[in-house]
Amino acid sequence: QKEVEQNSGPLSVPEGAIASLNCTYSDRGSQSFFWYRQYSGKSPELIMSIYSNGDKEDGRFTAQLNKASQYVSLLIRDSQPSDSATYLCAVNPGSGAGSYQLTFGKGTKLSVIP
Amino acid sequence: DAGVTQSPTHLIKTRGQHVTLRCSPISGHKSVSWYQQVLGQGPQFIFQYYEKEERGRGNFPDRFSARQFPNYSSELNVNALLLGDSALYLCASSLVGTYGYSNQPQHFGDGTRLSIL
Repeated sequence: QKEVEQNSGPLSVPEGAIASLNCTYSDRGSQSFFWYRQYSGKSPELIMSIYSNGDKEDGRFTAQLNKASQYVSLLIRDSQPSDSATYLCAVNPGSGAGSYQLTFGKGTKLSVIP
Repeated sequence: DAGVTQSPTHLIKTRGQHVTLRCSPISGHKSVSWYQQVLGQGPQFIFQYYEKEERGRGNFPDRFSARQFPNYSSELNVNALLLGDSALYLCASSLVGTYGYSNQPQHFGDGTRLSIL
């Protein structure tokens, strides 16, 4: 069974600090990786996608992927109270049947303290 | 441009009843997927539809069914509702590649919150 593991938290960081969120996955053949942000009572919002090993930066967000270690992470620089939310890691096999079946972790709850 | 739209926003039903949830994808997106999210968990895949055909099904009972229409909108139907069906039901749309497979990001609607009494 394909699994995505995240530390449920809560992860508390002071305002302005770097928040580091981690995710591991079990399906070695996975090809597409996504980070979603979900505010309480709201739906998931896509913030990053990454497909190749290495880093991908978008504003204050950096996604890191290491397929050999089956590990993907999200760094949030200069964390703001508005970043307080649950961050969901999602994995997609990326090809063939089932390529739309995103498998989600349970999410990590981030709290940014002013 | 409009995002994924879902209706209704909230719904209250009793055990044994039937429910239909609706979804309109982002313009240009031909794939629609449905997810169930219970409190404290990540979304769980239910169905994926592309070109009116079911392309994937998650581990859900036959009480759950769906369909996609020629305009790419979709319905999720749940029969014989159980208390455990109480959840946020999410619809997501995405672009597709060759043969309907794609690694493109999925974009979620605001969801339908279903409560079973």
